[in-house]
Amino acid sequence: GAVVSQHPSWVICKSGTSVKIECRSLDFQATTMFWYRQFPKQSLMLMATSNEGSKATYEQGVEKDKFLINHASLTLSTLTVTSAHPEDSSFYICRAVGLASDSPKTEQYFGPGTRLTVT
Amino acid sequence: AQSVTQLDSHVSVSEGTPVLLRCNYSSSYSPSLFWYVQHPNKGLQLLLKYTSAATLVKGINGFEAEFKKSETSFHLTKPSAHMSDAAEYFCVVSDPGTASKLTFGTGTRLQVTL
Repeated sequence: GAVVSQHPSWVICKSGTSVKIECRSLDFQATTMFWYRQFPKQSLMLMATSNEGSKATYEQGVEKDKFLINHASLTLSTLTVTSAHPEDSSFYICRAVGLASDSPKTEQYFGPGTRLTVT
Repeated sequence: AQSVTQLDSHVSVSEGTPVLLRCNYSSSYSPSLFWYVQHPNKGLQLLLKYTSAATLVKGINGFEAEFKKSETSFHLTKPSAHMSDAAEYFCVVSDPGTASKLTFGTGTRLQVTL
């Protein structure tokens, strides 16, 4: 069956550095990718939406130059946190929407999340 | 615009007793509604979903939810709580015309005690 994975599952970086988070789909063509951020003890907040081959659409208040999203293929989307600061420490989750290889219906799958800690 | 309200931020039950997690929604269309569970430091797992078929939806691990249009509610229930049910639960709404955009509730933390 279809699977969505994220790499790394957790990362610690120093303030000012950049971090890239990958979201990969297996047996699944992710035509649309959603990226969420979840602060401790809070709900998921949508950051941006991207369609394969197109520029991402960012939610209000999310800096597009700070959170770079690339969705160049149907199986890979990346989120790069540039010049990370401690306030960017959060749990980042991708959600892939598209067609599975064994189903004619649109499906959706969440990635397992990436915990980012910026020191 | 779509929205969900989870009426309780924290619910505590004893093991073996019923669970009720409340959710009310607001939607301009006939919505799709979901319940997800998240265990500590883990990703989201789909418990069940309503997509305009049967109003009583059965999910995994003995959970079920009933869609009540007149009350704009989609409460999650389970007859008998288990210790492993302790987690964060999110009610989620999706309008058909919003390109699969989901709106999450603020979450309810379920505590199960002995």
